[in-house]
Amino acid sequence: QVQLVQSGAEVKKPGASVKVSCQASGYTFISQDINWVRQASGQGPEWMGWISPKSGFTGYAQRFQGRVTITRDISKSTAYMELSSLRFEDTAVYYCARGGVGYNYGSGDLDPWGQGTLVTVSS
Amino acid sequence: QSVLTQPPSVSGAPGQRVTISCTGTSSNIGANYDVHWYQQFPGTVPKLLIKGNTNRPSGVPDRFSGSKSGTSASLAITGLQAEDEADYYCQSYDNSLSGSVFGGGTKLTVL
Repeated sequence: QVQLVQSGAEVKKPGASVKVSCQASGYTFISQDINWVRQASGQGPEWMGWISPKSGFTGYAQRFQGRVTITRDISKSTAYMELSSLRFEDTAVYYCARGGVGYNYGSGDLDPWGQGTLVTVSS
Repeated sequence: QSVLTQPPSVSGAPGQRVTISCTGTSSNIGANYDVHWYQQFPGTVPKLLIKGNTNRPSGVPDRFSGSKSGTSASLAITGLQAEDEADYYCQSYDNSLSGSVFGGGTKLTVL
């Protein structure tokens, strides 16, 4: 079955960077985009950006421009999201999610989602 | 403040029909971008409920339906069941932000 498996929880200090991985299985990795979404406790989801695994093209939400970098390793069927200059308010669960067929630039439905990675920013 | 506006909460008795609205603007829903809906239970991963405005993924009961008109979209749930009590989120694309956006979410309470 289609599955996205993410790396484990992280605890980081303010100003540090975090890199979360997302390994895909059960489908052809390069056929559909991977999106990254985060959700703070008690809040709704917040879209961060996308990557086309086939081309490597990326797009980022304006509020994260300059702080977020999404990459992929085709040989490992894995996408990565790195967030730098971490702040307390970056504490959240970070999800990767596969973008829907026929959509691009992050406009598609998101299915499935990874299990989530809790990133805690604490001094 | 979310780009897509949803009511914070809705409620209904078992068996009733409820609707959840998602109001956007001319740069997202009104620009003819598709709307997608998600269901999320506390402590779990969001689950795709409706894609492409009206389409149910395999396994989603036909009690759930989506519609879209102008700058708004709606999720309807008929034959309300206690197990439907969850948070619901809409999602679309915004061309002024050049990215996807979510609604703030609606908490459904089954009375």
